[in-house]
Amino acid sequence: LAKTTQPISMDSYEGQEVNITCSHNNIATNDYITWYQQFPSQGPRFIIQGYKTKVTNEVASLFIPADRKSSTLSLPRVSLSDTAVYYCLVGDNGYGQNFVFGPGTRLSVLP
Amino acid sequence: GAVVSQHPSRVICKSGTSVKIECRSLDFQATTMFWYRQFPKQSLMLMATSNEGSKATYEQGVEKDKFLINHASLTLSTLTVTSAHPEDSSFYICSARPPGGDTQYFGPGTRLTVL
Repeated sequence: LAKTTQPISMDSYEGQEVNITCSHNNIATNDYITWYQQFPSQGPRFIIQGYKTKVTNEVASLFIPADRKSSTLSLPRVSLSDTAVYYCLVGDNGYGQNFVFGPGTRLSVLP
Repeated sequence: GAVVSQHPSRVICKSGTSVKIECRSLDFQATTMFWYRQFPKQSLMLMATSNEGSKATYEQGVEKDKFLINHASLTLSTLTVTSAHPEDSSFYICSARPPGGDTQYFGPGTRLTVL
């Protein structure tokens, strides 16, 4: 199972760019990298997914180096409503339960 | 798109009773659904993987006779907590994955409180 490591918590201010890095040293060839956002008492919400290089959508960017042993979620110009826990999930390649949720990163956005 | 619902959102029951939680994919068919449990301030813990038309696969340490999972259709999976006890109180979350897809879409969760 691909284990992930993330910072437990991060603080930021409104309007800043936030980068959260996830380490996944034993990622498998078929594994994708997916990031989720979770607010208290809610289910996780899909943010972005990638396999290699860079992926960008309307809410975030995901940077994945060539060796794929880490990935960085970039949130541009965060607001107070971005305060949440962010999870990096590796695996989920369509063939079963080959993944484990890490502890997540608790992001606090301050005014 | 990719909306998953859960019912009920919150349930309180007495110790010893059974509780059923429904998970539905509203706008897509899901050959695979997952059930998670989450305790306060902790990450999600996968309990079982449910494939339509077959028996669920349980993670190590999860009692299959206590947490009954049924995935009878491509849009519905149910989790029944049998003979619930206070230690089963938790936040239960399901997710669904479209056929051939790599992304899980999560439901809003069900808060179970066993008195």
